[in-house]
Amino acid sequence: NAGVTQTPKFRVLKTGQSMTLLCAQDMNHEYMYWYRQDPGMGLRLIHYSVGEGTTAKGEVPDGYNVSRLKKQNFLLGLESAAPSQTSVYFCASSYDRGSKGHTQYFGPGTRLTVL
Amino acid sequence: QQPVQSPQAVILREGEDAVINCSSSKALYSVHWYRQKHGEAPVFLMILLKGGEQKGHEKISASFNEKKQQSSLYLTASQLSYSGTYFCGTPGGGGSNYKLTFGKGTLLTVNP
Repeated sequence: NAGVTQTPKFRVLKTGQSMTLLCAQDMNHEYMYWYRQDPGMGLRLIHYSVGEGTTAKGEVPDGYNVSRLKKQNFLLGLESAAPSQTSVYFCASSYDRGSKGHTQYFGPGTRLTVL
Repeated sequence: QQPVQSPQAVILREGEDAVINCSSSKALYSVHWYRQKHGEAPVFLMILLKGGEQKGHEKISASFNEKKQQSSLYLTASQLSYSGTYFCGTPGGGGSNYKLTFGKGTLLTVNP
């Protein structure tokens, strides 16, 4: 099992450009998440999905859109990139373990720089 | 609301002990702990459920006091491999226990 994979690993954009980050998981997890990580800020939730065809806003959704057309894939889009979106982006997935709650499995991350 | 972690950073020599604390202003039903090594993804360490139980992972253990709304992570006889940033995560209430709000992290450095 590959677990959670993300493409690309690195990307440099110019202000105003658009791009899509791809997250894929092969664990058949229902739940998927996109986080951004900035120095000293921890991990902040951008958008999440509780199943195929569903998406919802997290803590910092502005400037981002997502889609979950297939259960195994969760796409994060930036329509018009801004320097404030320079960050490391992590995708994660989880499943419901009942009384043990959810354990999130993270992808390796995408380092995005917006000039 | 984001849980508060303390300290922000700690430096140890190999073999020393450390405690990392995580507190919340809202009622907690569970606390999750993750470790992120430099340049890598966060990795799940353990989950503490309501009931004050302690869990262990290697020589890392944790406690959870739901009345005080806080959890502590104990690293004993630290090893070089323990270096990294430790995050606590608290789940959302109601039916959204799948969503975690992470603290800002505690950077642990273990030196030889």
